[in-house]
Parts: sequence; structure tokens; C-alpha cells
Amino acid sequence: SYELTQPPSVSVSPGQTARITCSGDALPKHYAYWYQQKPGQAPVLVIYKDSERPSGIPERFSGSSSGTTVTLIISGVQAEDEADYYCQSADSSGTYVFGTGTKVTVL
Amino acid sequence: EVQLVESGGGLVQPGGSLRLSCAASGFTVSSNYMSWVRQAPGKGLEWVSVIYNGDSTFYADSVKGRFTISRDSSENTLYLQMNSLRPEDMGVYYCAVPFTGYNSGWYGADWGQGTLVTVSS
Repeated sequence: SYELTQPPSVSVSPGQTARITCSGDALPKHYAYWYQQKPGQAPVLVIYKDSERPSGIPERFSGSSSGTTVTLIISGVQAEDEADYYCQSADSSGTYVFGTGTKVTVL
Repeated sequence: EVQLVESGGGLVQPGGSLRLSCAASGFTVSSNYMSWVRQAPGKGLEWVSVIYNGDSTFYADSVKGRFTISRDSSENTLYLQMNSLRPEDMGVYYCAVPFTGYNSGWYGADWGQGTLVTVSS
């Protein structure tokens, strides 16, 4: 079955930049989406269609895409950005998949 | 404002059934792609099923043949009928929908608060 692979964890100091990658063979054909999830809460969409930011999401969140890898970039990380982050995309059979998830720790 | 409220979770024995509901407001369920997503305790997000506005449905391999997604336009509600439940089906189940009117694939712009399903004897 189709998989999206993320690093299990990323650690970053406040004010620095965090980059979270997501790799999958079908990513050149389908948009990627990124979610932030804090403990006990529902996921929140932070990036859609590879690089679009929903209203209400801080400008420090951005997304990029290159070949089979998409990247979520958090510039000027703040303590409140500590959370789990998941990418999500489609495969070519009409189904959808989430990435393995990345825990972002703010040092 | 879009609102999604799940209900119907609870404790069920292995092999049992449950029907989850997702009551929607602020948009029309029948006109939008909607999915169920679950999260086992301490684990990541897992996409479960999608229903398109033309009533096509797709399922994750892990639930195919056991779960059925449907919707009721008059109630503006999404459902997930879960049969032959297994311990590995345990977790929080969320419904989610893209930005209203987006019909080029599913993603979760708005989510419910989730409903907990426990499968145990």
C-alpha cells in the first residue's frame, strides 16, 4: 500500500527554522496537505495544495514541493508550535493516506 | 461557520457493530467530499473512508468489507456503519471536510471533535 514517510522527530530552538519532509512516489501527481495536532485536540490544517495557507494560520508556516518530497517549513518557531505534524495526500486509486507523523519539539 | 459534531462511539465487544454519526452545519453534506479519519491511542492519523458528492465511496484496505460510509441529506449528517469490529479498530474517529465547494479531492479543512470507539471484551 502507498506510504508517506516523515521523520519521527524534529527538534528546534525558539526563533529558528524547522523543516519537516514528507516523501511519497505519487506526490508529483497529487497535492499535499499538512496538519498540526496538539495532545487531546483534533488536527488543524496549516497548509493545503502544497503551499497555500488557510486564513488564520500564521505566516511563519509555509510549504514547498519538489519531485517526490514536500516540505513544511516553520520559520521563527515559537513554543506554541510544539505539536505533531502530519502530511496527507491521495494515491491513484481514489484513496487517501496520512504520513507517519513528526513530533516537533521546541527546545 | 462550519461545524461537525460526531457521536455514536462507545464500548463494543469484538465482532460487534457501531454506527457513528457526524452532524454538519454551515454547509451541505451532500455537496461536499467527506471522510472519516481515525487515530488509535498514541498512534498517528489513519484515513478510513471517503464519500464524494456523486455518492462514490472508497475505503482503506483495513476496513474494506466491514465499514460503510453514507449520508442523509435530510439530516445533513454523515454516517459510518462499522461491523465485525476488531481491537485494532479502537480509537478516536473524526469526520472532516475540505473548504466548502472544493471538489478536486479530499482533505480536512474542518474537523469534528472526534468520538471514541473502544473494542474490548
